[in-house]
Amino acid sequence: EPEVTQTPSHQVTQMGQEVILRCVPISNHLYFYWYRQILGQKVEFLVSFYNNEISEKSEIFDDQFSVERPDGSNFTLKIRSTKLEDSAMYFCASSELGQTFYGYTFGSGTRLTVV
Amino acid sequence: QKEVEQNSGPLSVPEGAIASLNCTYSDRGSQSFFWYRQYSGKSPELIMSIYSNGDKEDGRFTAQLNKASQYVSLLIRDSQPSDSATYLCAVNRDDKIIFGKGTRLHILP
Repeated sequence: EPEVTQTPSHQVTQMGQEVILRCVPISNHLYFYWYRQILGQKVEFLVSFYNNEISEKSEIFDDQFSVERPDGSNFTLKIRSTKLEDSAMYFCASSELGQTFYGYTFGSGTRLTVV
Repeated sequence: QKEVEQNSGPLSVPEGAIASLNCTYSDRGSQSFFWYRQYSGKSPELIMSIYSNGDKEDGRFTAQLNKASQYVSLLIRDSQPSDSATYLCAVNRDDKIIFGKGTRLHILP
């Protein structure tokens, strides 16, 4: 069964450093998403991406965050200057047919720890 | 008002019994409703989707939707220890899916 692949599975970074989280969506999917989940809290929407541009972003997705699809397969989330409160699980998701109607397939996640 | 509300639990159910999980949502414009299962430290896994009023059955799982009451539920029949997880209710809104905080389900052997 096709999978969404995320790397690394765990990243530890110093506060103020830049991190890039990587995702390889399912190959025929056209819609891509990033979510995060702070420990013990709910899964929160960050950003949706379609046709090489952001479709929607949440209040969390401020100027410190950016997304990119640098080639035909990867989808990345960059945090420019990490803060302690950025520590969370970050999930990438993709969807084939159109936005949200049929639900997403999530990747296995990247646990980001900011120290 | 929270967009998707769930009782956080934990909900403890004896093995073999029926587990009943409930969810309410606030946006009447939502058209798609989902139940995801999340094991500790893992990513959400889609187990059921429902789009119209009534029941939808898939194996041991039944999703129920009542749009007038803005209510979604999930029934798990013949509960197994492997069903112990957090169950996330989710609804679509615009270009995204919004999640509830989840209900922790514990199946007692």
